[in-house]
Amino acid sequence: AAGVIQSPRHLIKEKRETATLKCYPIPRHDTVYWYQQGPGQDPQFLISFYEKMQSDKGSIPDRFSAQQFSDYHSELNMSSLELGDSALYFCASSFHPRTSYNEQFFGPGTRLTVL
Amino acid sequence: RKEVEQDPGPFNVPEGATVAFNCTYSNSASQSFFWYRQDCRKEPKLLMSVYSSGNEDGRFTAQLNRASQYISLLIRDSKLSDSATYLCVVVRDSGGGADGLTFGKGTHLIIQP
Repeated sequence: AAGVIQSPRHLIKEKRETATLKCYPIPRHDTVYWYQQGPGQDPQFLISFYEKMQSDKGSIPDRFSAQQFSDYHSELNMSSLELGDSALYFCASSFHPRTSYNEQFFGPGTRLTVL
Repeated sequence: RKEVEQDPGPFNVPEGATVAFNCTYSNSASQSFFWYRQDCRKEPKLLMSVYSSGNEDGRFTAQLNRASQYISLLIRDSKLSDSATYLCVVVRDSGGGADGLTFGKGTHLIIQP
């Protein structure tokens, strides 16, 4: 079965640079979520989108923004990168919770390293 | 107090044994609960949804106790491949619909041959 696709899988950036992460949800899933997992930490929810609209917002820094497009894929834009942004970034997708139990399926993640 | 609390372990159990994990959550309004497993440096994978009536999937049984605000996971006849970190997960209750997940720190399970 098709899974969530994330690109790139690995990314190395310098401090103060920008980065864009992409997420392609499971076919027919209309809702996407972004999470950040630092070393030795549990995943932290950043933001979610449904029908191109922001739905829930977690601990996303103001330097980050995200959007969802008409084909349901999503992009996470990160600016003024800091060393502390080095982490695994996961995207998850689901059917909208109105029609499901909000079961979210995660992509393989993008490993971001900020030097 | 953290929203979702778990014993981090590690739990070292012999192959074939039965092992149980609990976690507690702080938001009494929470409606949806899950267990995910995560292998080192990989994505969390949905193991089970946890329903009010409890549910079973093969060797795995999940229970929810709303009165005490805890969730349990029981693994029977454990296999070497069950070695992983088990994450207790509660859906945030933002009212927006597509709510994010709140994870516990995870319980590390090691199955020994």
